[in-house]
Amino acid sequence: GQQLNQSPQSMFIQEGEDVSMNCTSSSIFNTWLWYKQDPGEGPVLLIALYKAGELTSNGRLTAQFGITRKDSFLNISASIPSDVGIYFCAGQMSDKLIFGTGTRLQVFP
Amino acid sequence: EPEVTQTPSHQVTQMGQEVILRCVPISNHLYFYWYRQILGQKVEFLVSFYNNEISEKSEIFDDQFSVERPDGSNFTLKIRSTKLEDSAMYFCASTMNTEAFFGQGTRLTVV
Repeated sequence: GQQLNQSPQSMFIQEGEDVSMNCTSSSIFNTWLWYKQDPGEGPVLLIALYKAGELTSNGRLTAQFGITRKDSFLNISASIPSDVGIYFCAGQMSDKLIFGTGTRLQVFP
Repeated sequence: EPEVTQTPSHQVTQMGQEVILRCVPISNHLYFYWYRQILGQKVEFLVSFYNNEISEKSEIFDDQFSVERPDGSNFTLKIRSTKLEDSAMYFCASTMNTEAFFGQGTRLTVV
């Protein structure tokens, strides 16, 4: 089946640092979504990308939809402690979302 | 702000028992989904539902699983005879078109 690989698997950074994570696939997706999941909670939508090459921001978050439609990256600038969590990319294919393997972010004060 | 709500938040059941997980999607949404997440792993698609019927399902969604939208607001997932490996977080999601919004999940523990 389709597989979305995220890297890095985990990150340990200091508060104030910028963060970059990406997501790659062997399949083409028409839409890329980025979600954040806190422990014991459901995924929360951060950013949605609809067009190849699109660059979209949401506060300190910036995400881009790769030109080949097979990849996407998410940047977080000036990280804060509440950025801690697992970040998932998700590609939409027909009537479902395929989730990536996740990047676990830990922020130290 | 409208949200997807799920009940119960935690369900413990004995192996072989039937469970029903309940969801109230966002009211004007048209597409409904169930996903599951085994502890520490990624979120996996189970089934999508549109226009009162299943539109797509994964290999995980075998004959033991069924979904229903009994009354125009609730959306349920039934597992007929639970197995130990069904233990996971089950998430309901809904969307108007693309941006899926997830509930808080039901943690199912099969013992």
